[in-house]
Amino acid sequence: EVQLAESGGGLEQPGGSLRLSCAASGFTFDDYAMHWVRQPPGGGLEWVSGISWNSDPIGYADSVKGRFTISRDSAKNTLYLQMNNLTTEDTALYYCAKSPLGQLSLDHWGQGTRVTVSS
Amino acid sequence: QSVLIQPPSASGTPGQRVTISCSGSSSNFGTNYVYWFQQFPGTAPKLLIYKNNQRPSGVPARFSASKSATSASLAISGLRSEDEADYYCAAWDDSLSGRYVFGTGTKVTVL
Repeated sequence: EVQLAESGGGLEQPGGSLRLSCAASGFTFDDYAMHWVRQPPGGGLEWVSGISWNSDPIGYADSVKGRFTISRDSAKNTLYLQMNNLTTEDTALYYCAKSPLGQLSLDHWGQGTRVTVSS
Repeated sequence: QSVLIQPPSASGTPGQRVTISCSGSSSNFGTNYVYWFQQFPGTAPKLLIYKNNQRPSGVPARFSASKSATSASLAISGLRSEDEADYYCAAWDDSLSGRYVFGTGTKVTVL
C-alpha cells in the first residue's frame, strides 16, 4: 500500500525557513516523480513544485520560485521541500503527492503538514 | 490566481445529474491531459479522473468527464449524498516555464 507521510510543518516567523519532509513507502520511490501541493486555510489547491524520478526539478510555482527548493533522497525514500524567506502567504497545509509512471496526475497523496507563518 | 476557472458551487437532488465546468486555454487543455480531484472536508484530495476521461480503479462509473481544446467538464450521474465534496480540475500548463495548475474548485451540495 502506498503511504506518504509529511512532517516538518509548524509556526515560523516571516523571513524564516522550514524544511518539510515526506516519507514514502509501499512503492519503488526511485521510479516516480513527486510533487508538493499546498492549500491555504479555506482555500483551493496550489501546486508548489515537482521533481522527476532522477531528481531533475519539474518546476516551481511562480509564487515560490527562488525561495523554495525541492529535492529527494533515494536512500531514505524521502521527498523534501526547503522553504526560505517565508511570508504569511505561505501559510497552508502542504501535501506531498506521487505521480504515476509517465503522467502528471497525482494518484496518491499524504495527509499534509501544516505551515503557519506569522509574527 | 488560478488559470483554470470553475463555478464556485453546484447542487442537485439525489439521483440527478450534475455537471461541473472547467475553463482553461490552449496552453493547458490544448495539448495536455485534464485531471479531476475530489476532496472531502479535512481530508486529502483523491484522484477521480486522469487522462481526460479515465477512472482509477474504485471510482464509480457515474463519474465521467470530457475535454475540448479550452474547456473540460465533470459529470456526476445518479447523484448521491456521499458525493457532496469539493471538486478540482487540473492540468499541466505550457506557458512560462511550465507549471501544474488547479482549478478554482467547485463545492457540490446534495440537496
